[in-house]
Amino acid sequence: AQSVSQHNHHVILSEAASLELGCNYSYGGTVNLFWYVQYPGQHLQLLLKYFSGDPLVKGIKGFEAEFIKSKFSFNLRKPSVQWSDTAEYFCAVNSPSGNTPLVFGKGTRLSVIA
Amino acid sequence: GAVVSQHPSRVICKSGTSVKIECRSLDFQATTMFWYRQFPKQSLMLMATSNEGSKATYEQGVEKDKFLINHASLTLSTLTVTSAHPEDSSFYICSARLEPYGYTFGSGTRLTVV
Repeated sequence: AQSVSQHNHHVILSEAASLELGCNYSYGGTVNLFWYVQYPGQHLQLLLKYFSGDPLVKGIKGFEAEFIKSKFSFNLRKPSVQWSDTAEYFCAVNSPSGNTPLVFGKGTRLSVIA
Repeated sequence: GAVVSQHPSRVICKSGTSVKIECRSLDFQATTMFWYRQFPKQSLMLMATSNEGSKATYEQGVEKDKFLINHASLTLSTLTVTSAHPEDSSFYICSARLEPYGYTFGSGTRLTVV
């Protein structure tokens, strides 16, 4: 069975600091990888996704993630965070085959302070 | 883009009553709908997978007689929480798979049982 681990429960950064949120998955086969963001009171929004090809994926709002197959990792990065990035971030994985659901990590709460 | 409309967004009900949550795919046909539950400060946990015209598949530990899922058409899936109790209070989210690899999410329903 697939599982996703997000290492940080709560991250607090000052504006303009760099961000890296860890994500590791457990699955032996081919996977699709996703990062979602959930702003307070809003529904999940897709930040970026990896299916194949270039392991460095660029998403919306200046976010990027790197798929490192040997480490089963898909860490999310942003060089300079803004106050508006305060939100909950979820890493998710699924199997490309069949109509399978997403399996989510426990999420990381990011608080950006001025 | 593909949108899933979820209603109601918030509901408060008395203990022992039933609550129905609807998810409608507005501009596409959702053969499969996934239902998740999110506890405060925790991840989205898959409850069940509903397929149009057939019985839902429930995850281990989810009571199928308590959480009734109906997917009678390609545009509507419903989750009914029967005989609700305070421990059923949670945030419920539906999700549909988009070909080839994406997903779209409803905005969620916050259920409070008093």
